[in-house]
Amino acid sequence: NAGVTQTPKFQVLKTGQSMTLQCAQDMNHNSMYWYRQDPGMGLRLIYYSASEGTTDKGEVPNGYNVSRLNKREFSLRLESAAPSQTSVYFCASSRAGGLDSPLHFGNGTRLTVT
Amino acid sequence: GQQVMQIPQYQHVQEGEDFTTYCNSSTTLSNIQWYKQRPGGHPVFLIQLVKSGEVKKQKRLTFQFGEAKKNSSLHITATQTTDVGTYFCAGPGRGATNKLIFGTGTLLAVQP
Repeated sequence: NAGVTQTPKFQVLKTGQSMTLQCAQDMNHNSMYWYRQDPGMGLRLIYYSASEGTTDKGEVPNGYNVSRLNKREFSLRLESAAPSQTSVYFCASSRAGGLDSPLHFGNGTRLTVT
Repeated sequence: GQQVMQIPQYQHVQEGEDFTTYCNSSTTLSNIQWYKQRPGGHPVFLIQLVKSGEVKKQKRLTFQFGEAKKNSSLHITATQTTDVGTYFCAGPGRGATNKLIFGTGTLLAVQP
């Protein structure tokens, strides 16, 4: 049982380049999330998808787009990377929203933008 | 906007000493969750508290939800080196049914 799988694990981009972070879960969860983690800032929600077909902005959505491709997959796209987007990105899923069921996290993607 | 703050940001203890981290929300929370993240790892769910004044224990860990449901605490008795990591609280976002907002976290270092 893989749980939540994120790819890639590491990525280095130059300013202005684009990329898509992939996330897939095999737990049949309804809700999926993208967080970024920066030193001293904790985990900040970028976007979330309460259920297949819906997406909503979180605390820090600027510079990002998401796609809930199907129930399993939730991707995060950086159209024009900036150094401020250097961070560790975590994808997470939960059975029925973060309120009543715990979040299961992937192993993270370490992104550096130069 | 809604804020969930934790104190302290960092705590260094000798193995065997107790440790407490406090979580404070600017708004009333319907429930609160706690997570632990080992260095280099990802957050892992520990527990959820729902009721006002609720206290739950997991071995050496004691979790408490405040009476006003705006604060929570995690207390570890007799810390061990395996307790090293960052502890996060998290609560529902204001007005949202599926948004979980994390606190700033407390990094615990345990010296053998």
